[in-house]
Amino acid sequence: ETGVTQTPRHLVMGMTNKKSLKCEQHLGHNAMYWYKQSAKKPLELMFVYSLEERVENNSVPSRFSPECPNSSHLFLHLHTLQPEDSALYLCASSQNRVATGNTIYFGEGSWLTVV
Amino acid sequence: RKEVEQDPGPFNVPEGATVAFNCTYSNSASQSFFWYRQDCRKEPKLLMSVYSSGNEDGRFTAQLNRASQYISLLIRDSKLSDSATYLCVVMDSNYQLIWGAGTKLIIKP
Repeated sequence: ETGVTQTPRHLVMGMTNKKSLKCEQHLGHNAMYWYKQSAKKPLELMFVYSLEERVENNSVPSRFSPECPNSSHLFLHLHTLQPEDSALYLCASSQNRVATGNTIYFGEGSWLTVV
Repeated sequence: RKEVEQDPGPFNVPEGATVAFNCTYSNSASQSFFWYRQDCRKEPKLLMSVYSSGNEDGRFTAQLNRASQYISLLIRDSKLSDSATYLCVVMDSNYQLIWGAGTKLIIKP
């Protein structure tokens, strides 16, 4: 069983819809992340939260809105998305803000299709 | 120039063969290096860290060449289950993880 769970695993939404992705980590970590992975492209870091405070926002369009109510939960609220936003959205967590490549843990991802 | 570059492949390799991938990085101040494996429609999973002296884990060997700014992954006696996309990850001097786009490997029986 993964320590980071994401729901839903698959989501199809229209461009006028509003939906949310949910992530929960059971590892007692203090930092959580949202990544976007488009086909044949590198993972792109979208948002970073440390102790529920947003510490990084990599110029992500405002149609993506993160929320971190506590250190175990992270949401990504989606509204008026574009077809090019279709991708795999990965949540991850690490013990603290400085995540090395061997201390970051990923959820299974949420496959988003925008039609 | 991309910060981390990988040949996208796919590499089509017969079962039992040896295959090697390289990954180049642009920031000479990069600190740490890793190989991840990603199965189709799954999340990336850490395969191995890459140490300066090189390291081996069973059939997998990783090496780092700081002078030429590349890391490599060698897979010996390849298995069907090795079919996946292999992602190169570099931690830069600002402790940011920079990901390559991955090399797709297909092992054929």
